[in-house]
Amino acid sequence: QKEVEQDPGPLSVPEGAIVSLNCTYSNSAFQYFMWYRQYSRKGPELLMYTYSSGNKEDGRFTAQVDKSSKYISLFIRDSQPSDSATYLCAGSGSARQLTFGSGTQLTVLP
Amino acid sequence: DAGVIQSPRHEVTEMGQEVTLRCKPISGHDYLFWYRQTMMRGLELLIYFNNNVPIDDSGMPEDRFSAKMPNASFSTLKIQPSEPRDSAVYFCASSLGTGGPGNTIYFGEGSWLTVV
Repeated sequence: QKEVEQDPGPLSVPEGAIVSLNCTYSNSAFQYFMWYRQYSRKGPELLMYTYSSGNKEDGRFTAQVDKSSKYISLFIRDSQPSDSATYLCAGSGSARQLTFGSGTQLTVLP
Repeated sequence: DAGVIQSPRHEVTEMGQEVTLRCKPISGHDYLFWYRQTMMRGLELLIYFNNNVPIDDSGMPEDRFSAKMPNASFSTLKIQPSEPRDSAVYFCASSLGTGGPGNTIYFGEGSWLTVV
């Protein structure tokens, strides 16, 4: 079993939809949780991070962590075609050795 | 800043050949990471350095892989001999500090390796 499991998709939604991306993890030592966005043929870039459980909001994006169920979520409101990318969740206990999920490919249709 | 710079961007090589991937981290960053990304296994950490010293190479798949960081502005990942199963995108990344909140890990654009 991988430490971070993520549905690879692909996920296709119409513009303006609310997108929910989810991951589960198995390592109880994880304290930091991050979402990276990766555009086609580019390197991943940090989108959001959270520490321990709770929610964090940044514009149209909300990251949510539930440590009791080991569940990580990213919500995108009013999705735009420019949000089309692969989204990778990641967890870390030491905050430097990130363990990534395999990524969910998202397409937002105009 | 120009970001993390990797070369070559694309490499096609024959099985058995030596492959050298190069990386220039962001100036001032003291951590450097090498990752490999494939469809099957996703993004995997191969090795990381702190202040040019290898800290954890447990992700290096086998002895055919080696990485060096001779100075703060340059690192190499070498595969010798290369095999078709090494075909992947190899990312170099760097960060200032631990890579946790406030210390973002910045990725390069990757080196796309195909071994035929």
